[in-house]
Amino acid sequence: GAGVSQSPRYKVAKRGQDVALRCDPISGHVSLFWYQQALGQGPEFLTYFQNEAQLDKSGLPSDRFFAERPEGSVSTLKIQRTQQEDSAVYLCASSDHTGGGTEAFFGQGTRLTVV
Amino acid sequence: AQSVSQHNHHVILSEAASLELGCNYSYGGTVNLFWYVQYPGQHLQLLLKYFSGDPLVKGIKGFEAEFIKSKFSFNLRKPSVQWSDTAEYFCAVEPGTYKYIFGTGTRLKVLA
Repeated sequence: GAGVSQSPRYKVAKRGQDVALRCDPISGHVSLFWYQQALGQGPEFLTYFQNEAQLDKSGLPSDRFFAERPEGSVSTLKIQRTQQEDSAVYLCASSDHTGGGTEAFFGQGTRLTVV
Repeated sequence: AQSVSQHNHHVILSEAASLELGCNYSYGGTVNLFWYVQYPGQHLQLLLKYFSGDPLVKGIKGFEAEFIKSKFSFNLRKPSVQWSDTAEYFCAVEPGTYKYIFGTGTRLKVLA
């Protein structure tokens, strides 16, 4: 594909509702990242996949957040029992290398608003 | 804790003015450094990066940045801005791992 694709672009959820955010990385990219960007802040790391393996989930803010990448391509970030503080833009990024020192390609993000 | 500081949150310039955006980080080891830009309605895009070698790096659209190790800084510069440079600019540090630590961003508005 031309770039990283995320869906939906916008999501409004009632407090307590579960949501699922989808990321289609660039084809062939082994590394996939999720970041959370609160209003007026820079993106903050949530989790990292290398192929289908979730190697780092240290940034997930609570056990209500869960991410998966079962076949090493598409990834889903799930948030259970959403809270108002979950309102943010969720960014997905992918890269064609493992480890550090490479450019990450970002999607346009999903803006989640919890009401 | 590792952190990245961008001191200018909002910058307004006239076209043809020179630009310098500050970025300082707190991490004592080897780092990879990036500047990303987000134009209105678009995704984050890489402007330039520094991994090693010449501390003055050149990126796209006439941007450059200088890595000063002793000051833990990686400031972004452009000699003459254009209206199309209106965007939000993010400094990011990769402290020896695969994940970025971003600054809070600087919103640049260029007046035509």
